[in-house]
Amino acid sequence: SQELEQSPQSLIVQEGKNLTINCTSSKTLYGLYWYKQKYGEGLIFLMMLQKGGEEKSHEKITAKLDEKKQQSSLHITASQPSHAGIYLCGADRGSSNTGKLIFGQGTTLQVKP
Amino acid sequence: GAVVSQHPSWVICKSGTSVKIECRSLDFQATTMFWYRQFPKQSLMLMATSNEGSKATYEQGVEKDKFLINHASLTLSTLTVTSAHPEDSSFYICSASSTVYGYTFGSGTRLTVV
Repeated sequence: SQELEQSPQSLIVQEGKNLTINCTSSKTLYGLYWYKQKYGEGLIFLMMLQKGGEEKSHEKITAKLDEKKQQSSLHITASQPSHAGIYLCGADRGSSNTGKLIFGQGTTLQVKP
Repeated sequence: GAVVSQHPSWVICKSGTSVKIECRSLDFQATTMFWYRQFPKQSLMLMATSNEGSKATYEQGVEKDKFLINHASLTLSTLTVTSAHPEDSSFYICSASSTVYGYTFGSGTRLTVV
């Protein structure tokens, strides 16, 4: 079965520093989603990547999907306390838009002022 | 954008009682919605797929008689936890699909069974 492995599991950075979170799949990804979650709350959609080599940016967050579509990274530039939370990568099971997502275990980010 | 509303956001119930959680797509129609469960410090696990007008499909290991799903309209799916027990205490979250925003998640429901 497909699995998503996120690294690191937790991260503490000083405000203003850059950081990267990685998401690696055991199988080729059909679609890769990044979400942010505050503990006990809903998921906030960040970005969706589908094509190999695709890169998307929104404000200070950039997400990339490698050419082989098995690894994605989320990069935050000049981190702020508002970036703190749990970052989850999710992917469609199988090879189509099934809607049945599997998730990585999450990366907890703390940003120290 | 696509908004999914989930209600209630938290509920405390006595062991043995049933609890209903609602998931609504506010500005789009969703023929399919999904229910996930998240235990503390763990990631989300898909429980079941809710199909409008037909029976839900459940993931392996999820008891369909315990977690009743009804998807009676294109904008509403409900999850009823029947005869809840403390081990059912968890964070339940639904999602719905839209063509523009992919999969949008509700704000979740924290269920505590005492």
